[in-house]
Amino acid sequence: DTEVTQTPKHLVMGMTNKKSLKCEQHMGHRAMYWYKQKAKKPPELMFVYSYEKLSINESVPSRFSPECPNSSLLNLHLHALQPEDSALYLCASSPGGEKLFFGSGTQLSVL
Amino acid sequence: LAKTTQPISMDSYEGQEVNITCSHNNIATNDYITWYQQFPSQGPRFIIQGYKTKVTNEVASLFIPADRKSSTLSLPRVSLSDTAVYYCLVGDRNNQGGKLIFGQGTELSVKP
Repeated sequence: DTEVTQTPKHLVMGMTNKKSLKCEQHMGHRAMYWYKQKAKKPPELMFVYSYEKLSINESVPSRFSPECPNSSLLNLHLHALQPEDSALYLCASSPGGEKLFFGSGTQLSVL
Repeated sequence: LAKTTQPISMDSYEGQEVNITCSHNNIATNDYITWYQQFPSQGPRFIIQGYKTKVTNEVASLFIPADRKSSTLSLPRVSLSDTAVYYCLVGDRNNQGGKLIFGQGTELSVKP
């Protein structure tokens, strides 16, 4: 299995909602990433987990809360988002170095 | 972290060879160079990775000069389906869970 699976594929939420994005991989990779991508821009790093511990937080607002329940799963909890948070959220896993395996992303719209 | 610089966009025609160059002047000794391809509304996809000289796979070739301050991704005989954004990344291959930053990328448009 060489896939990174993200759910849901699309999400519409209001500014007062709480929702979660999910990411799963079964390649045995011990590093997992969240990126945010706006239209016509490169992916922007948000968080990195290494061996299930948060190793990098790129000064992301607290309304985004990552969680790594086990080595195969990565969640991103969303609360009180703003319309400018609307973007494609990408999850990736890595066996090491800069070789990343990406999921197809969750297209998020905040109303 | 080594910063990368690429052309913002390139145009080509079907059947031509396309070369996209990436500049990484402050690349470190342990850094490898990796290229990704991204289609709209999809995650980037790994294309090729190298350290020095030349690497070739079924999709592309990667040329890296001796000083390693730049690299060139070569796509042979492009087709319309190669229209995408191409990113080069530079980072320590031995680093597990390191900070992997995407540059602006090159938007390649292949025309009939």
